[in-house]
Amino acid sequence: EVQLVESGGGLVQPGGSLRLSCKASGFTFSSYNMKWVRQAPGEGLKWLSFISGRGSTINYADSVRGRFTISRDNAKNSLYLQMNSLRADDTAVYYCARANGRIDFWGQGTLVTVSS
Amino acid sequence: DIQMTQSPSSLSASVGDRVTITCRASQAISNYLAWYQQIPGKVPKLLIYAASTLQSGVPSRFSGSGSGTDFTLTITSLQPEDVATYYCQKYNSAPYSFGQGTKLEI
Repeated sequence: EVQLVESGGGLVQPGGSLRLSCKASGFTFSSYNMKWVRQAPGEGLKWLSFISGRGSTINYADSVRGRFTISRDNAKNSLYLQMNSLRADDTAVYYCARANGRIDFWGQGTLVTVSS
Repeated sequence: DIQMTQSPSSLSASVGDRVTITCRASQAISNYLAWYQQIPGKVPKLLIYAASTLQSGVPSRFSGSGSGTDFTLTITSLQPEDVATYYCQKYNSAPYSFGQGTKLEI
């Protein structure tokens, strides 16, 4: 059974940092591209970042480029999102997602709240 | 960047109705278009990929069509459990933009 389990969310002050993790199981992690998607309260889905299976291709949305860093450790079946210089408008549920072109599996999400 | 625009933003329909949601890309994306359903409080779920291919396990009342810039998600014979917000997403290249969503109520 495919599973994606995010962790690392929580309350952080503006300007602070947070590192999200996503532990994958039930599939050959290194064979799949991965994405991070977020959803602010009451808002729609927003794509944030993409990383290819071997980590050789990385993309970011303009809103997070230079502040967020995606990475993966295929030996640990894990995906990461390092988030720096956090702002109030980064408050959202952050989803880890398996990208078989389209997103075919989503994690349950982890809530990040940026507030003083 | 290519923008994805859905219409309508919301709609109300009755059980048994045929419902159509449209997604328009600002530039051609071939058939690299997916549709997702997000039931309130739940994680998004893949319904359709490659514009018209039904994901395994998705009821056949859902269908997709289109290519290039104009795409459609159709639900025939609307059911109460179809109350959700529906999103389209392009996946041909980055940025992998979503449409703004269509909230479907009964």
